[in-house]
Amino acid sequence: QQPVQSPQAVILREGEDAVINCSSSKALYSVHWYRQKHGEAPVFLMILLKGGEQKGHEKISASFNEKKQQSSLYLTASQLSYSGTYFCGTETGGNKLVFGAGTILRVKS
Amino acid sequence: EAGVAQSPRYKIIEKRQSVAFWCNPISGHATLYWYQQILGQGPKLLIQFQNNGVVDDSQLPKDRFSAERLKGVDSTLKIQPAKLEDSAVYLCASSLVSSGGGDEQFFGPGTRLTVL
Repeated sequence: QQPVQSPQAVILREGEDAVINCSSSKALYSVHWYRQKHGEAPVFLMILLKGGEQKGHEKISASFNEKKQQSSLYLTASQLSYSGTYFCGTETGGNKLVFGAGTILRVKS
Repeated sequence: EAGVAQSPRYKIIEKRQSVAFWCNPISGHATLYWYQQILGQGPKLLIQFQNNGVVDDSQLPKDRFSAERLKGVDSTLKIQPAKLEDSAVYLCASSLVSSGGGDEQFFGPGTRLTVL
């Protein structure tokens, strides 16, 4: 079942912060976050694993609540380059990802 | 390190025609994935290979879609015959470790298919 992302879209000014949420009804092994710019491939941001391990970019922060099967991606001091569509992919095992519908982020100058 | 390669980048066909997409994963990556991404939606997994074996193809419309990874390296995805609703971007991804989970997937640039 597809995870639910919120909000669907958000507009920020440079320097503002944003939080993108991802919620699943299934017990998860990991949550993956990707950013996709128009016409380009998804780019890896972070993986959060059950048990607390994280892999990803130092400038990106995220959390994973294993009890609630929820993850949040924190974008601080946003830059124009942060614009794009953010997808969470949830995994119950075996590296099989189910992606959410995406959150469109637009950062304005 | 070279990334995931895909070709062609764009393809326009008439409905009922056939089409094939090619993917070459990052060297040494055991797992290869094909995703379908319809405009405005997240990628949807079609098939997952581990080396040259199929791990999951539960969402592959097998009456018209087929995929192979004969030597455990590059892969081909075929649609025959195509329908209008197959218009989408077909993304290929690969990952290094094939078992367990929590592995980063590296995506190729995709093939944008338009079915008229």
